[in-house]
Amino acid sequence: GQQVMQIPQYQHVQEGEDFTTYCNSSTTLSNIQWYKQRPGGHPVFLIQLVKSGEVKKQKRLTFQFGEAKKNSSLHITATQTTDVGTYFCAGLWGQFYFGTGTSLTVIP
Amino acid sequence: DTEVTQTPKHLVMGMTNKKSLKCEQHMGHRAMYWYKQKAKKPPELMFVYSYEKLSINESVPSRFSPECPNSSLLNLHLHALQPEDSALYLCASSLDRGGEQYFGPGTRLTVT
Repeated sequence: GQQVMQIPQYQHVQEGEDFTTYCNSSTTLSNIQWYKQRPGGHPVFLIQLVKSGEVKKQKRLTFQFGEAKKNSSLHITATQTTDVGTYFCAGLWGQFYFGTGTSLTVIP
Repeated sequence: DTEVTQTPKHLVMGMTNKKSLKCEQHMGHRAMYWYKQKAKKPPELMFVYSYEKLSINESVPSRFSPECPNSSLLNLHLHALQPEDSALYLCASSLDRGGEQYFGPGTRLTVT
């Protein structure tokens, strides 16, 4: 079946360091979305990427969609304690398949 | 109004009980979803309604029964659940299938 894997599973960084999570699909995706879930909270939509090779920025966050539309990445520059949470990608292949998630801890 | 509401917030039920979870949105979204999320795991899709018709049912056991009375409401009827069904049940909606999903706060379900 369709699988969307994310690495790493966990990441601990010092505040101010950069962070990257990678999302890989076993099949070509129509589009990909990214969500953030704070501890005890619900997923909150961050961005949607549709085009091959697309790059989008939101302040300190940079999102990329691979040329083959099978992988994506989220990069956070100069992490802050407010960035703590689990980041999920969700790939659209008929329906959305959520990735395994990367849990980010930011040490002040 | 960009909110998806869910009731109740918490639910404890025995294995012989019948209960319902409710979800509501007033954003004019035509797709609504039920997800199940276990601790430290991603949300797992259970059901998708598109234009009030069930379009995806991810091989969910029949003890879970979805209902979409109108375009703003989504229910999940629970009957004869098992302890392993304990989880956070999330409702989401999007303008159409494949669009940005807005999630509700979830119902934390415990089956005893």
